[in-house]
Amino acid sequence: AQSVAQPEDQVNVAEGNPLTVKCTYSVSGNPYLFWYVQYPNRGLQFLLKYITGDNLVKGSYGFEAEFNKSQTSFHLKKPSALVSDSALYFCAVTMNSGYSTLTFGKGTMLLVSP
Amino acid sequence: NAGVTQTPKFQVLKTGQSMTLQCAQDMNHNSMYWYRQDPGMGLRLIYYSASEGTTDKGEVPNGYNVSRLNKREFSLRLESAAPSQTSVYFCASSERTLGYGYTFGSGTRLTVV
Repeated sequence: AQSVAQPEDQVNVAEGNPLTVKCTYSVSGNPYLFWYVQYPNRGLQFLLKYITGDNLVKGSYGFEAEFNKSQTSFHLKKPSALVSDSALYFCAVTMNSGYSTLTFGKGTMLLVSP
Repeated sequence: NAGVTQTPKFQVLKTGQSMTLQCAQDMNHNSMYWYRQDPGMGLRLIYYSASEGTTDKGEVPNGYNVSRLNKREFSLRLESAAPSQTSVYFCASSERTLGYGYTFGSGTRLTVV
């Protein structure tokens, strides 16, 4: 079985400050890891993914995430938050072998204040 | 634009009514999925189709049926709607190799009264 934990329901940060949205995972074997963003009344949009290679992954809109195998974490980060980054963020995991569906976390609401 | 198209966008049903949610993708993806999104519960997989001609249950399949009509289309049917099925439903598609991730539709907001 595979699972994702996003321990924070909401993260508040001031514009211009760095942000971190936390994600830990559990999966048999090696993982594929993803971050998606959802703006109000929209579908989920792909932000970035970790498949293999460099532990620091860069994605859309200036976001990046760091894969830490020993801590089974894949935290989303951005050096300087924008008000427009306010949205619901989902972490997702699947196994990197065979066929497996994506399992999503419960989501973290990011609120960036002006 | 290429992507995943869901219809309808909004629907209100009475308890016991039936309806079909439609989903089509034009990216030639092999795999398609139906998720429901509920506050505080994230996205939960209802059914998926790894490839044309196959369908499998996900985490919360009770009360739903699916049909993979062809490679492009994957429909979700509620035979007898219940208030517990009030939710936002998302269809997604992907290559069978998951390294490419999913592409999502814009969702169907369903209310059962």
